[in-house]
Amino acid sequence: EPEVTQTPSHQVTQMGQEVILRCVPISNHLYFYWYRQILGQKVEFLVSFYNNEISEKSEIFDDQFSVERPDGSNFTLKIRSTKLEDSAMYFCASSPGQGSSTDTQYFGPGTRLTVL
Amino acid sequence: RKEVEQDPGPFNVPEGATVAFNCTYSNSASQSFFWYRQDCRKEPKLLMSVYSSGNEDGRFTAQLNRASQYISLLIRDSKLSDSATYLCVVNRDSSASKIIFGSGTRLSIRP
Repeated sequence: EPEVTQTPSHQVTQMGQEVILRCVPISNHLYFYWYRQILGQKVEFLVSFYNNEISEKSEIFDDQFSVERPDGSNFTLKIRSTKLEDSAMYFCASSPGQGSSTDTQYFGPGTRLTVL
Repeated sequence: RKEVEQDPGPFNVPEGATVAFNCTYSNSASQSFFWYRQDCRKEPKLLMSVYSSGNEDGRFTAQLNRASQYISLLIRDSKLSDSATYLCVVNRDSSASKIIFGSGTRLSIRP
């Protein structure tokens, strides 16, 4: 069964450093997403991406965040200058359709980001 | 009022019991509804979508009450493997981007 993959599984970085989190969505899926989950808190939407551009972003997704689909398979989340409060689990997801309300999102296993 | 609200639990029930969770949502324009389960430190996994007419998948039954703006999940004959956090997920509108997760209800099944 095809699945979303994410690398690395755990990233430790120093405050102020840039990090890139990588995701390989399910091939033939058209919509891609990033979410974060701070330990003990709920899953929060960050951004959605379709047709090589951001289609929606939350207030969390400020100027220090960016997303890119550099080739036909990878989908990345870059955090330019990490803060302590960026420490969280980051989940990538993809969905097959065109972002309709019934489109099921499939989640990757997540990258745990620890900012020291 | 939170957009999606769930009782955090934990619900601690014996194996074989029936357990039910409710979830309320604040936006009456919400289009679609899902239950996900999340195991500790793992990704959310879709359990089932929730349709207006209600739907059943094996031991799991989901109901939607648009008038009262809540959805429910019923688990019958609970198994040890059902222990997890159950996340209520609501689409705010017709865009799949705008999905809102509840904080989850923790369920623990004891032998």
